[in-house]
Amino acid sequence: EPEVTQTPSHQVTQMGQEVILRCVPISNHLYFYWYRQILGQKVEFLVSFYNNEISEKSEIFDDQFSVERPDGSNFTLKIRSTKLEDSAMYFCASRDKYEQYFGPGTRLTVT
Amino acid sequence: RKEVEQDPGPFNVPEGATVAFNCTYSNSASQSFFWYRQDCRKEPKLLMSVYSSGNEDGRFTAQLNRASQYISLLIRDSKLSDSATYLCVVPDSWGKLQFGAGTQVVVTP
Repeated sequence: EPEVTQTPSHQVTQMGQEVILRCVPISNHLYFYWYRQILGQKVEFLVSFYNNEISEKSEIFDDQFSVERPDGSNFTLKIRSTKLEDSAMYFCASRDKYEQYFGPGTRLTVT
Repeated sequence: RKEVEQDPGPFNVPEGATVAFNCTYSNSASQSFFWYRQDCRKEPKLLMSVYSSGNEDGRFTAQLNRASQYISLLIRDSKLSDSATYLCVVPDSWGKLQFGAGTQVVVTP
């Protein structure tokens, strides 16, 4: 069964450093998303991506964040200068016509 | 009012019993709804979709009440493996998912 994959599974970084989280969506899906979940809190939408551009972004997704689909398979989330409060699980998702499928997540720890 | 609201629980359920819990949503224009299951520190996994009045899949039944703007999930004959957090999810018209905070279910032997 096709699945969304994410790398790395865990990333530890120092405050102020740049991180890139990688995702490989399901191959025939056209809509891609990033969500995050701070420990003990609900899953929050960050950004959606369709047709090689951002279709919607949340208030969380400020200038420190960017997304890219550098080739036909990868979908990346970059955080330019990490803050302590960026520590969270980051989930990538891709969607067919109706349903979103989530990757296993990247646990980002900012120290 | 929160966009998607759930009773956080925990609901402690003896193995074999039935448990049910609700989720309320604020956007009356919402057309579709989902229940996802999330195990500790794992990704949400789709459990059920609800597009009309309800849906049934084995031991799981979801019901939608549009007039009162709530969705319910009922689990019959609970198994130990049903212990998880159940997330009520409402997509907007662009596909963005709005999550509730989740209802924790603990099935005990």
